[in-house]
Amino acid sequence: AQSVTQPDARVTVSEGASLQLRCKYSYFGTPYLFWYVQYPRQGLQLLLKYYPGDPVVQGVNGFEAEFSKSNSSFHLRKASVHWSDWAVYFCAVTRTGGYKVVFGSGTRLLVSP
Amino acid sequence: NAGVIQTPRHKVTGKGQEATLWCEPISGHSAVFWYRQTIVQGLEFLTYFRNQAPIDDSGMPKERFSAQMPNQSHSTLKIQSTQPQDSAVYLCASSLTGGQNTLYFGAGTRLSVL
Repeated sequence: AQSVTQPDARVTVSEGASLQLRCKYSYFGTPYLFWYVQYPRQGLQLLLKYYPGDPVVQGVNGFEAEFSKSNSSFHLRKASVHWSDWAVYFCAVTRTGGYKVVFGSGTRLLVSP
Repeated sequence: NAGVIQTPRHKVTGKGQEATLWCEPISGHSAVFWYRQTIVQGLEFLTYFRNQAPIDDSGMPKERFSAQMPNQSHSTLKIQSTQPQDSAVYLCASSLTGGQNTLYFGAGTRLSVL
């Protein structure tokens, strides 16, 4: 069964610093991978998604992620964090032709001034 | 496009009472999902509808939870005899055709069982 691990429950970054949020997936085959963000008191919104192809995908607000089949990873990156990025970030996976999306436990990003 | 609408935003019930949660998916989306979000368990898949038909309810606690989609414009999640452990945020999401497409989430219904 597919699964997603986000090893960091909480990450604190200074405003303007770079960011990497880690995601490891477990799946036999070619996965479809996603990063969703949940701002306070809101539902989840898509940041970016990976479909088989270019391993580096660009998302909204300067976010990008890189798919690595050898490392079973899909880490999220941003060059310069803004205070408005304060949120919970979820990595998710589904299989080719599938419908059920499995989410990781989430990483809470705190931005310090 | 108002997005996915969930009502109510907050619901408080006493132990043993019934709770009904409503979801209006985005018009034109054929796939509707329900998830439950808690601090301990994170986001748990509950059930999935495609073109109003129930496809997968493997995440639903069998005895007290039920979900329906009587028409393309709304889905309901009903919890009978609510228990304190049912306290959570229930999220509804819709997508064009399934999980490979972007899921659009509602703001959720926070259920508190006293």
